[in-house]
Amino acid sequence: SQQGEEDPQALSIQEGENATMNCSYKTSINNLQWYRQNSGRGLVHLILIRSNEREKHSGRLRVTLDTSKKSSSLLITASQAADTASYFCASPGGRSNDYKLSFGAGTTVTVRA
Amino acid sequence: DVKVTQSSRYLVKRTGEKVFLECVQDMDHENMFWYRQDPGLGLRLIYFSYDVKMKEKGDIPEGYSVSREKKERFSLILESASTNQTSMYLCASGSEKLFFGSGTQLSVL
Repeated sequence: SQQGEEDPQALSIQEGENATMNCSYKTSINNLQWYRQNSGRGLVHLILIRSNEREKHSGRLRVTLDTSKKSSSLLITASQAADTASYFCASPGGRSNDYKLSFGAGTTVTVRA
Repeated sequence: DVKVTQSSRYLVKRTGEKVFLECVQDMDHENMFWYRQDPGLGLRLIYFSYDVKMKEKGDIPEGYSVSREKKERFSLILESASTNQTSMYLCASGSEKLFFGSGTQLSVL
């Protein structure tokens, strides 16, 4: 069953602008992850944030997690054409040994030159 | 570089055929996964394996089976392919963080 839902479904921005997408999930989690998928390819892991963390950075990516609202956001700053892709949030079950990730339907980001 | 390799990028099969999708990882991961991806539905877990010869059903196992005879290889089997199994199939391995193959786009005609 789907754990996460991303919002918006699609986003179009100008190169250099920031892109923000949100993820809501249903059950308690021990971590939340974001993945990127370029058109027709496999997914690539971007960042993992644990349930006791509120914010995490990796290069131009910033992820926040609000466990009280069961939501997370991914911010891509100073977007580039290469950021055009679909972005998915994913989370495992609540048990520490549960490695089955449930994915949302994704946000499709288009960066215009 | 870590690698998950799926044997075919594109496959076209006929209804009723038995279809094998192969996946090999070189990272010595215990866990391997098969997902299918359909537009608007995201990724849905079909089966997962946490050790050689061990498997567990995911959210949508009907019409599929799996085989894990060696740690590095995880096969997805469509016993009798149907048109509603036309989809992108993604293999992954890992524990907390997953590494994905490039996917197999399967068309069942």
